[in-house]
Amino acid sequence: GDSVTQTEGQVALSEEDFLTIHCNYSASGYPTLFWYVQYPGEGPQLLFRASRDKEKGSSRGFEATYDKGTTSFHLRKASVQESDSAVYYCALRVYNQGKLIFGQGTKLSIKP
Amino acid sequence: AQTIHQWPVAEIKAVGSPLSLGCTIKGKSSPNLYWYWQATGGTLQQLFYSITVGQVESVVQLNLSASRPKDDQFILSTEKLLLSHSGFYLCAWRIYEQYFGPGTRLTVL
Repeated sequence: GDSVTQTEGQVALSEEDFLTIHCNYSASGYPTLFWYVQYPGEGPQLLFRASRDKEKGSSRGFEATYDKGTTSFHLRKASVQESDSAVYYCALRVYNQGKLIFGQGTKLSIKP
Repeated sequence: AQTIHQWPVAEIKAVGSPLSLGCTIKGKSSPNLYWYWQATGGTLQQLFYSITVGQVESVVQLNLSASRPKDDQFILSTEKLLLSHSGFYLCAWRIYEQYFGPGTRLTVL
C-alpha cells in the first residue's frame, strides 16, 4: 500500500545549522508530495508541494526536490532559526485521490 | 479569503457521554471536507471525507460518525465516547490543496 517514511523522529539543532529531514515514499500511482509544518496546539500548515519528478518545492527558506528514482522528498534548510521549532510532516496524495497519507512526523528543536 | 472555523476549541468529556464537533468553511464553494484525528505526539489519521452535501465516506472505523448537513459545514459525532477518543481533531478542506483548521482538543476521562 501507499506509505510515507520519515527517518528522524526528533532533530535537535542550533541556530544557523543546516537541516535535513528525510522522507521516502511508496506509492502505486503518480503521487503528489507535500511538506506540512505544525506548531503546538495548531493545525498543520502547508509549506509546499511537488507533483513531478525533479520538481522543487520551496517556502520560507525550506526546500525539497521530488526524486522519483530514489522515491524521496527530503526537506532541507540552509540556516535554521529558533522560530522553525515545530513538527514537520511529509505527506503524499496519489493522483486523483483525495486521501493524504502522512509520515510519522519529525519534531525539530532549535537551540538559540 | 477562505476561513475555517472549528468548535469547540477544547472539550473535556466523560466516558460514555455523547460528542459533537463542528467545522465551518467560509469563502469556498463546494470544497471537499475531511476529518482527521491526531493522538498526542502522533501523526494525522484521516477519519472521514465528503465531496458533497449529504454524502460522507468513512476511512477508519473508530466508533465515530460524520455528517455534512450544509455545503460549508461538517460535523463529527458519537453517542458514546471511549477513552481512546482523546486527542486532537482536525477539519480540513480542499479544492486543489488541503488546508487544515485550528483543531479541537478532546480529553475523555
